[in-house]
Amino acid sequence: KQEVTQIPAALSVPEGENLVLNCSFTDSAIYNLQWFRQDPGKGLTSLLLIQSSQREQTSGRLNASLDKSSGRSTLYIAASQPGDSATYLCAVSNQAGTALIFGKGTTLSVSS
Amino acid sequence: NAGVTQTPKFQVLKTGQSMTLQCAQDMNHEYMSWYRQDPGMGLRLIHYSVGAGITDQGEVPNGYNVSRSTTEDFPLRLLSAAPSQTSVYFCASSYSKTSNTDTQYFGPGTRLTVL
Repeated sequence: KQEVTQIPAALSVPEGENLVLNCSFTDSAIYNLQWFRQDPGKGLTSLLLIQSSQREQTSGRLNASLDKSSGRSTLYIAASQPGDSATYLCAVSNQAGTALIFGKGTTLSVSS
Repeated sequence: NAGVTQTPKFQVLKTGQSMTLQCAQDMNHEYMSWYRQDPGMGLRLIHYSVGAGITDQGEVPNGYNVSRSTTEDFPLRLLSAAPSQTSVYFCASSYSKTSNTDTQYFGPGTRLTVL
C-alpha cells in the first residue's frame, strides 16, 4: 500500500530564506506527483505536477524535483515571503489512476 | 469559469440525520471525486466518478452514497450521520478520466459537524 510522508510537519523561517520541503513515498511505481497549497479554512490549490518521466518542474519561485528510484520529491521555495505561509501537501497517484494518495502536509510560517 | 463549487460551506447535523453535500464544476471535467480531511489523517478518498453514470468506491466509502447523473454535478449523500463523519469534505475534478495525468482542481470544502 502506497504511503506518503512529509517532513517536517511544521517549519518557521524568516522572510527571504530559501527552503526545502520533503516528500517521500513507499511505492516507486507512480504516474505523477503533485504539490498543493492549502490556506487555513480553504481548499487545495495545485502548485506543480511532475509526470513520472520528468525530473523537475518550475513555476516562478517554486521548483519541484522527483526521484522515483529513491521515492522522494522536494519542493524548493526561493526567497520566501509571508504570503507563502500555508500548508503544503504532496500527493501521488495510485496505480489505477483513480485516486491521489496524500501526505499529511508541512505547515510553513514565514515571518516578516 | 466558477471552477469547482461546493455547498453548503458549514453544516451541523444530529446523529441519524441525512443530508446531501453538493458539488458542481463548469469545466467539462470527466473525473470527479470526494475526499475527507481529518486532523492527523490527511485527505482520504471516499468515492469517485470517471463520467456521467459511472461511480466507484474509494478508501473510506462506508456511510456515503454518490451518483453522477450529469457531467457537472457529483453530490455526496450521508444516509444516517454519525459523529465519526465529522470532517471537512472536499470535492475535486480533472479533465481526464483518471487522476494520474491531469492537475486536480479542488472546491473550497464543506465543514460538517455531527453531534
